[in-house]
Amino acid sequence: NAGVTQTPKFRVLKTGQSMTLLCAQDMNHEYMYWYRQDPGMGLRLIHYSVGEGTTAKGEVPDGYNVSRLKKQNFLLGLESAAPSQTSVYFCASRDPQGPQHFGDGTRLSIL
Amino acid sequence: AQSVTQLDSQVPVFEEAPVELRCNYSSSVSVYLFWYVQYPNQGLQLLLKYLSGSTLVKGINGFEAEFNKSQTSFHLRKPSVHISDTAEYFCAVSEDGNKLVFGAGTILRVKS
Repeated sequence: NAGVTQTPKFRVLKTGQSMTLLCAQDMNHEYMYWYRQDPGMGLRLIHYSVGEGTTAKGEVPDGYNVSRLKKQNFLLGLESAAPSQTSVYFCASRDPQGPQHFGDGTRLSIL
Repeated sequence: AQSVTQLDSQVPVFEEAPVELRCNYSSSVSVYLFWYVQYPNQGLQLLLKYLSGSTLVKGINGFEAEFNKSQTSFHLRKPSVHISDTAEYFCAVSEDGNKLVFGAGTILRVKS
């Protein structure tokens, strides 16, 4: 049972490039979340989803898009990467009555 | 809007000593409260949560926290720490049980 798996674990991009981060969970959870973690700021919610086919904005959604085409997957896209998006990205999932379970993160550097 | 303040960015402590990590929150409604731990290069793991009921909550690894509504606090305690407790600890609050708002984190450094 893998839990929450994030792909890739590390990535370096150039400014203006695009990429997609993949989050996959095998716990049949309804809710999924994308956060970014920056030093001294804790985790901030980017987007979240309360079910397949639904998404909603979090605290810091600008510059990111998401899709939840399948219940087990939640994709985070950067259309035109900027240095300010250098961060560690975490995905989480939960069922309606439980706590959030986190993946191990994706470390993204944008030059 | 809800917010979380972790009053100490770093807490150094000797092994087997007690420790308290402080967390204060602000919210206009009833909240759910959480403590998470993050070990280096890993994701967050839930230590404990307060949803309702008893204000003293016991979690994993010997940690406990006390919800104080009048002081809007949810401090984390452990009576005797181990080297393996060295990690970053995050306090989080939720008004709707869905979205979490995290504090900036407290790095606990346990020294031998």
